Amino acid sequence: TAGITQAPTSQILAAGRSMTLRCTQDMRHNAMYWYRQDLGLGLRLIHYSNTAGTTGKGEVPDGYSVSRANTDDFPLTLASAVPSQTSVYFCASSEVNGQPQHFGDGTRLSIL
Amino acid sequence: ILNVEQSPQSLHVQEGDSTNFTCSFPSSNFYALHWYRWETAKSPEALFVMTLNGDEKKKGRISATLNTKEGYSYLYIKGSQPEDSATYLCASEEGAQKLVFGQGTRLTINP
Repeated sequence: TAGITQAPTSQILAAGRSMTLRCTQDMRHNAMYWYRQDLGLGLRLIHYSNTAGTTGKGEVPDGYSVSRANTDDFPLTLASAVPSQTSVYFCASSEVNGQPQHFGDGTRLSIL
Repeated sequence: ILNVEQSPQSLHVQEGDSTNFTCSFPSSNFYALHWYRWETAKSPEALFVMTLNGDEKKKGRISATLNTKEGYSYLYIKGSQPEDSATYLCASEEGAQKLVFGQGTRLTINP
């Protein structure tokens, strides 16, 4: 079982360019999440979706947008990348409240 | 935004020794407490999710306890092995399935 698939694995992007990080899950989980991981700051929630068709803002949503057109896919878009968005991005999913989250392998993004 | 604190930030333990570390979280609006293990170059992997005060969960040599009234959870590792080396994350779930993570405890087991 694939679980959660993120693409690309890594990317170098020029500042000002746009980029969409892809996330697909095959577990039919209702909820999906995007986190960024930065040294000394741990995992911080960017956006989340409790079910297809709905999204919500996390702790650090500025500069990012998401959509949830169906259960399986939860893309994260950077409309105009800035160097402070250099980070490792993790997508995760879970069934319902009180259940563990399952994480993808991450996307390492460098903005130059 | 909840404030989830983990201590210590890092820990070096001799192989065979037992160890434990702490996660503290605000007890108001608590729904669940998660523990994850995060090995270098991999993604976080769920260990436990606990919801009830006094909950105790065990997986092999690893166990965890939960005190929701005072807002803390302990993770215990008995007889540490080199493969236990990882960062251990706790996260508090307030509701709406959103987690707030602590910064983790980095555990290194010395052979």
